[in-house]
Amino acid sequence: QVQLQESGPGLVKPSQTLSLTCTVSGDSINSDGYYWTWIRQPAGKALEWIARIYPIGSTNYNPSLQSRVTISLDTPKNQFSLRLSSVTAADTAVYYCAKAKVGMGVHYWGQGTLVTVSS
Amino acid sequence: DIVMTQSPDSLAVSLGERATINCKSSQSVLYNSNNKNYLAWYQQKPGQSPKLLIYWASTRESGVPDRFSGSGSGTDFTLTISSLQPEDVAVYYCQQYYSIPITFGQGTRLEIK
Repeated sequence: QVQLQESGPGLVKPSQTLSLTCTVSGDSINSDGYYWTWIRQPAGKALEWIARIYPIGSTNYNPSLQSRVTISLDTPKNQFSLRLSSVTAADTAVYYCAKAKVGMGVHYWGQGTLVTVSS
Repeated sequence: DIVMTQSPDSLAVSLGERATINCKSSQSVLYNSNNKNYLAWYQQKPGQSPKLLIYWASTRESGVPDRFSGSGSGTDFTLTISSLQPEDVAVYYCQQYYSIPITFGQGTRLEIK
């Protein structure tokens, strides 16, 4: 059974860079027909898709965040990561890493990690 | 961006009764090459991660009770819970994955009347 676990600082200062890692267990990050993705959710609000990366390394980003976001794979460690630069309080949210099957929705989610942007 | 609009924002239904949640997309999410609607439904219980219920608008994910069903095509979709159970209290989201950016509806909060 695939499991995903987010890790990273829970508190980031304004203007700094948020960095999160998702460790995948029970599955290979090279799984064909799937992609890896980050989704966030401010408290009491709806889900917002951030970015995705395919095993071959191709990426897509939400245009609203594209100038500040980078998603990457670390295949030997079976991990993928998110970097969000120049953060503000509006970036405070629970960040989820997840695995999606191409054309079929997000099948597996991490438990989520709360990131607060505050000085 | 494809805007996903759910209705209602909140809903209270008696145990054993039917619950219906609607989702409208600002443009069609029907993928012509395979005739599949790229529309999913998720359930999120308090303090938990979302859970996939339905994909392709009407295909139930493995392990999801058959009281959950999805319907619709093009731009108008419905999630139906045929007989509400206490464990169904949650927020429900629709999602389109037809085009980038992937977008979600604002959510519908379902409670027991």
